[in-house]
Amino acid sequence: EIVLTQSPGTLSLSPGERATLSCRASQSVSSSYLAWYQQKPGQAPRLLIYGASSRATGIPDRFSGSGSGTDFTLTISRLEPEDFAVYYCQRYGSSPYTFGQGTKLEIK
Amino acid sequence: QVQLAQSGAEVKKPGASVKVSCKASGYTFTGYYMHWVRQAPGQGLEWMGWINPNSGGTNYAQKFQGRVTMTRDTSISTAYMELRRLRSDDTAVYYCAREPIAVAGPFDPWGQGTLVTVSS
Repeated sequence: EIVLTQSPGTLSLSPGERATLSCRASQSVSSSYLAWYQQKPGQAPRLLIYGASSRATGIPDRFSGSGSGTDFTLTISRLEPEDFAVYYCQRYGSSPYTFGQGTKLEIK
Repeated sequence: QVQLAQSGAEVKKPGASVKVSCKASGYTFTGYYMHWVRQAPGQGLEWMGWINPNSGGTNYAQKFQGRVTMTRDTSISTAYMELRRLRSDDTAVYYCAREPIAVAGPFDPWGQGTLVTVSS
């Protein structure tokens, strides 16, 4: 089973700053089947990024994904107030599907 | 638009069973796996398994094998997840989410979630 480890656990930043979130896999993730989701309190997760770097429909271009193999990054170029949430990476495409433990992005 | 509408919150006693439904609309139900993911209070996301609505085939996470059954009714575009022998640590929000069958894809969209509370 591929284990995904996200860092940091909590990231404290101010609106307008740049956020860099990391997701490291215990084994190579094939064909970049790596996704990122945003979850706000009381809401279901929302797809942001798939295929490691493709933005989902309707996702602002301040969100970008990069990486391959075992190291992946979600970058938010300029934080907006609505971006403060929990972010999860996920490996998909074959079982078992796994999620990272999440990074909480909080307002400094 | 594509929507997954889940059934309402449930309160169950330890040892009981719960069955959560997920009604799909806005797309071809049989063209997408339906996954189930749960989230305990204050915790992360845990994948439980999927059902192929076209064939009825299932694939469960090892942790839940023997205790979970996923089914579907194609006539009403609805998937179901039944969890048996409930324990207090099964208290969680349960989500359904779809993935394309033809080509691997992320989970999109997700249902709104169903809170299952297990308490004596």
